[in-house]
Amino acid sequence: EEQLVESGGGLVQPGRSLRLSCVASGFTFGDFVMHWVRQPPGKGLEWVSGISRSSGSMDYADSVKGRFNISRDNAKKALYLQLSSLRTEDTALYYCVRRVHYRYFDLWGRGAQVTVSS
Amino acid sequence: EVVMTQSPATLSVSPGGRVTLSCRASQSVSNNLAWYQQKPGQAPRLLIYDASTRAADIPARFTGSGSGTEFTLTISSLQSGDFAVYYCQQYDKWPPLTFGGGTKVE
Repeated sequence: EEQLVESGGGLVQPGRSLRLSCVASGFTFGDFVMHWVRQPPGKGLEWVSGISRSSGSMDYADSVKGRFNISRDNAKKALYLQLSSLRTEDTALYYCVRRVHYRYFDLWGRGAQVTVSS
Repeated sequence: EVVMTQSPATLSVSPGGRVTLSCRASQSVSNNLAWYQQKPGQAPRLLIYDASTRAADIPARFTGSGSGTEFTLTISSLQSGDFAVYYCQQYDKWPPLTFGGGTKVE
C-alpha cells in the first residue's frame, strides 16, 4: 500500500524552529516530486513548498519564503520541512503530498499538527 | 498568482440529489485543474484531474467539466458518504499552486 506518514509536529513558541519529517512506503519515492500543503484550523488548503526528484529545484509560498526549508533523502524515502522563525499564523496541519508529473497531488499523508503559541 | 474562487461556500442537499459545484480561475489555467474531497478528520482525496478525468476508484457519479477559467464538479446522485468539503486546485501557473476556498456539501 502506498503511504505517506508525517511526524515531528508539536507545540512551539513564536520565533522557534521545528522540523517535520515524512516517510514514504509502497512506491519508488525518488520518482516523484514532493510537496507540503498546510491547513489552518477550520480553514482551507494552502500550498507551502515543493521539491524536485533530485533536489535540484525547490519552490516556496511567499508566506514562508526565507523561513522554511524543504529537503529530501531519496535513500531514506524521506521528505523534510524545516520551519524557522515560526509565527502564530503558521499554526496548521501540515500534509506531505505526492505530485504527479508536475501536475496534481495524488497521495496525501494524514498530516502533522504544528501549533505556534506562547 | 492565479486566484481560485469557489461557489457557493455551502450547499445544502438531500441524499439522492444532484449537486453542482463551481470553481473560477482569475486567469486561464487551460484544463490543468483538480478537484479534491475532504471529509472531517481526514486528508483530502483526489477526485478529478485534468478538469474531467476521474482518479482511480472514483465513482462515475462524480463528473468534472470546464476549461480556461470556468469549471464545475457535478455529483449526479448524492450519497451519504459524499457529504464533505470539496476543493479545486490549479496547476497550470505555478508557483504558487493555488486552491479554492472550498465548498461544503451538507
